[in-house]
Amino acid sequence: GIQVEQSPPDLILQEGANSTLRCNFSDSVNNLQWFHQNPWGQLINLFYIPSGTKQNGRLSATTVATERYSLLYISSSQTTDSGVYFCAVISGGGADGLTFGKGTHLIIQP
Amino acid sequence: GAVVSQHPSWVICKSGTSVKIECRSLDFQATTMFWYRQFPKQSLMLMATSNEGSKATYEQGVEKDKFLINHASLTLSTLTVTSAHPEDSSFYICSANIPGLAGQQYFGPGTRLTVT
Repeated sequence: GIQVEQSPPDLILQEGANSTLRCNFSDSVNNLQWFHQNPWGQLINLFYIPSGTKQNGRLSATTVATERYSLLYISSSQTTDSGVYFCAVISGGGADGLTFGKGTHLIIQP
Repeated sequence: GAVVSQHPSWVICKSGTSVKIECRSLDFQATTMFWYRQFPKQSLMLMATSNEGSKATYEQGVEKDKFLINHASLTLSTLTVTSAHPEDSSFYICSANIPGLAGQQYFGPGTRLTVT
């Protein structure tokens, strides 16, 4: 099956810093989503981005499908941005489940 | 829109008993729902795909007789963990996608199961 690798696994930053999280995948994808998992376990949808670039406030994402990677940018980090960020993909049809990367654990220090 | 709920949010049960977890799509109909499991400090792993009106499809290594899935309506899928053991303790999360919207999935808040 498809492999999803996220980097870095851990990231510690000061409040106000910018960060870039990377997701590499081993095959072509029909679906790519970025999630933020909060301390209670809830997965928050950040982006649905199988290709192209999207922005939502301080967050933006870019997927270069031909080169099989996606980037999540967080600008002006806040302590509430702390948590685990997951990239997940589907390489088959829309009725398939997501394959998740292992996540990036982000800690924003005040 | 696209809200998915789960019940209960947490449950503690004794070893050998069964526990049922419900996943509901609140504002849309979902012909397909998905069940994932997440162990502490690990990623989410797909367990099974739940199809309304037909049998679920299980991922390799997931025991279908232990994790019973029923998708009896377009808004409800249930996961029953039968004869639970402590190693089944985990965070179970369901998701659904809106038909015709190219596979984007919306997740429930999860159910934390502890088997004692």
